Amino acid sequence: SQQGEEDPQALSIQEGENATMNCSYKTSINNLQWYRQNSGRGLVHLILIRSNEREKHSGRLRVTLDTSKKSSSLLITASRAADTASYFCAYLTNAGKSTFGDGTTLTVKP
Amino acid sequence: GAVVSQHPSWVICKSGTSVKIECRSLDFQATTMFWYRQFPKQSLMLMATSNEGSKATYEQGVEKDKFLINHASLTLSTLTVTSAHPEDSSFYICSARDPSGYSEQYFGPGTRLTVT
Repeated sequence: SQQGEEDPQALSIQEGENATMNCSYKTSINNLQWYRQNSGRGLVHLILIRSNEREKHSGRLRVTLDTSKKSSSLLITASRAADTASYFCAYLTNAGKSTFGDGTTLTVKP
Repeated sequence: GAVVSQHPSWVICKSGTSVKIECRSLDFQATTMFWYRQFPKQSLMLMATSNEGSKATYEQGVEKDKFLINHASLTLSTLTVTSAHPEDSSFYICSARDPSGYSEQYFGPGTRLTVT
């Protein structure tokens, strides 16, 4: 399969809690991006992390990348109901194509 | 960041007709663009790679005669769904690769196609 793997497939938490989702891939990558998608809408870019970076922050978002384990994680701190969405990782391979993970559906209960 | 636009944002067409979707890179020249398809509650699947001035490269299982791709300029790629059927109803998203710097990919907002 060309898809990357994400876990969990679905995550339900209470507002204020932290949410962590993981992405794994199988090839060498140039960079990895995380996107949010609300139901029926387009992709919203969250963070890009390059292969030579290990961690990046943006507001309540923290992304880590472990190229030795071929995995990345997205942490959303102090979650809000508005964070309810599907989250996808997309990694850019050295062949120049971006491949998406299966996605994690996050539900934040108010 | 760089901007990629798509037009139309949504389209409804009748079965058997053809639909053209445009993808434009607005502030950079893209020699390579990509077309993805997303069915409900699924992830995005790469359909084809569009190369300016040459034929597109299709992923396994994607019918090249049904999904015609034209990349006639460095800022425009089009995807034409020919003889559309209800099973072609999907969300189509393009992306463009900026050849400068880190050669990053930027994604368009997507086009929702509904075939009745």
